[in-house]
Amino acid sequence: DQQVKQNSPSLSVQEGRISILNCDYTNSMFDYFLWYKKYPAEGPTFLISISSIKDKNEDGRFTVFLNKSAKHLSLHIVPSQPGDSAVYFCAALNTGNQFYFGTGTSLTVIP
Amino acid sequence: KAGVTQTPRYLIKTRGQQVTLSCSPISGHRSVSWYQQTPGQGLQFLFEYFSETQRNKGNFPGRFSGRQFSNSRSEMNVSTLELGDSALYLCASSLAPQGDRDTQYFGPGTRLTVL
Repeated sequence: DQQVKQNSPSLSVQEGRISILNCDYTNSMFDYFLWYKKYPAEGPTFLISISSIKDKNEDGRFTVFLNKSAKHLSLHIVPSQPGDSAVYFCAALNTGNQFYFGTGTSLTVIP
Repeated sequence: KAGVTQTPRYLIKTRGQQVTLSCSPISGHRSVSWYQQTPGQGLQFLFEYFSETQRNKGNFPGRFSGRQFSNSRSEMNVSTLELGDSALYLCASSLAPQGDRDTQYFGPGTRLTVL
């Protein structure tokens, strides 16, 4: 049962434009959400997180938005750069439990 | 500070065999979690160890087992391998257990191919 879903397996964006990656979850008990970036032949690396008490968190070019009523999470990258090309995973945590990951979205930023 | 290391990086086995994968966490980290990554399934949680105790276990058959040593290094074992066990196995370490929201640092993974 996939509790965290990323329905877009891939996304292509022009350099300098905005990249929007989406994630949906089903478990209303999730209260902490993260995004990870993964390059080929490397493990995922932490990008940004957000607690359920917030609806937005920014870190430089990366902003995560949380819509609890819709059980929806999104990652905005502005402006997109070729080095951002990677697979992005969203993850959710139920306090005291374990992380649940989505299936990933492969982002390609075209120079 | 050295990152999370996993050995071996690549492994080829045949059906019915067993395999042991190793993970050395970042120095000082006491939590080690294991994940299986397959195309279309994303990362699926296998189990987490903290201070040599299994804290959580995902929805995998008993053929998948693990342990953690006093130096926090962890091993994962899969017995009676099946074709469907072919995957990238990732381990991640953190200072605190997963439920404490501590950042997890991933190793590069072990690519297991079952023939």
